[in-house]
Amino acid sequence: NAGVTQTPKFRVLKTGQSMTLLCAQDMNHEYMYWYRQDPGMGLRLIHYSVGEGTTAKGEVPDGYNVSRLKKQNFLLGLESAAPSQTSVYFCASSPTLNPRPTDTQYFGPGTRLTVL
Amino acid sequence: RKEVEQDPGPFNVPEGATVAFNCTYSNSASQSFFWYRQDCRKEPKLLMSVYSSGNEDGRFTAQLNRASQYISLLIRDSKLSDSATYLCVVEFGRTDSWGKFQFGAGTQVVVTP
Repeated sequence: NAGVTQTPKFRVLKTGQSMTLLCAQDMNHEYMYWYRQDPGMGLRLIHYSVGEGTTAKGEVPDGYNVSRLKKQNFLLGLESAAPSQTSVYFCASSPTLNPRPTDTQYFGPGTRLTVL
Repeated sequence: RKEVEQDPGPFNVPEGATVAFNCTYSNSASQSFFWYRQDCRKEPKLLMSVYSSGNEDGRFTAQLNRASQYISLLIRDSKLSDSATYLCVVEFGRTDSWGKFQFGAGTQVVVTP
């Protein structure tokens, strides 16, 4: 199993450009999440999905859109990138929405995005 | 005020020593608690869940104090490989405003030879 993979690993954008980050998992997990991590701050949830075809807003959704057309993929889109979106983006998946002690979130390796 | 707070450190620990640090949370309705480990520029990985009665996994011991709303992590016989940032994660339970899966900013531990 590859686990959770993210594409691309690094990207530099200019302000106003758009891009899509791809997250894929091969563990047949129902739930998938997009987080961003900034220096001195914990991971913050951007959007999440409880299953194929469903998405919902997290803590910091503004400026981002997501889609979950296939169970194994969760896409994060930036329509018009801003310098404030410079961050490390982590995708995660989980077999359940409400992780119990026997469950966990599995994270991808991250995408380092710089917006100039 | 942050919902999950951690001392950022760094905690500089001689190899073989014991180190302990806490994480405080603000929501008394919190239900599940975890410690994740994050190595520099890598993804977080679950270290251990925290049970109400406290739990131990090898050299790692986690405790939960609901009355004072904090969890703790203790590392015994520190190894160089324990150098990392430890993230406290608190989950508040399912409500119609989900998203209450809060990460602390992390506590950095540096184990020195």
